[in-house]
Amino acid sequence: GAVVSQHPSRVICKSGTSVKIECRSLDFQATTMFWYRQFPKQSLMLMATSNEGSKATYEQGVEKDKFLINHASLTLSTLTVTSAHPEDSSFYICSARARDRGSGYTFGSGTRLTVV
Amino acid sequence: GQNIDQPTEMTATEGAIVQINCTYQTSGFNGLFWYQQHAGEAPTFLSYNVLDGLEEKGRFSSFLSRSKGYSYLLLKELQMKDSASYLCAVSLNTGGFKTIFGAGTRLFVKA
Repeated sequence: GAVVSQHPSRVICKSGTSVKIECRSLDFQATTMFWYRQFPKQSLMLMATSNEGSKATYEQGVEKDKFLINHASLTLSTLTVTSAHPEDSSFYICSARARDRGSGYTFGSGTRLTVV
Repeated sequence: GQNIDQPTEMTATEGAIVQINCTYQTSGFNGLFWYQQHAGEAPTFLSYNVLDGLEEKGRFSSFLSRSKGYSYLLLKELQMKDSASYLCAVSLNTGGFKTIFGAGTRLFVKA
């Protein structure tokens, strides 16, 4: 089945630094990748939609200059959290649509970001 | 706006049946998904409904009524490992078929 590899799984960084999260589709081409953020005991909130070869589409309230998304190839999308602050600490997860829509969206394993 | 509602928590007994409801109001509809998510892990796909009716898959069944904006997930023969959050999600036919999620229902299965 479709697999999305996401790393790192956990990262702790200092306030003010930047962190890059990668998602790779291993056995299919993901023309579209969705990035979500999930706070404890809350649901997934869509941050942005990443399209290969074009600019990402950000949801209302998400700062595009803070959350940089790059989708340079059909198998790789990255999310960079710039100048991270403690309030950015969250679970970040990507998902891509498999060829067979009836199989749902494949999720990466998620990245637990802690900013200290 | 987009709105997906589901109960916050439910408790059921091992071996029993539980139904988790979901109502939605969205601009555009391209299918409804149910996902299971254990704490600290990524969601895993359970079911997909795009037409009205019941889809059965083993111990899990999902129902959709598009006219009512309503779906439910039915879990039979509950097992302790079914304790998890269950997320109702709607795929929109806009914005690259993005998917928006409900807040999730935390299911506790007790012995």
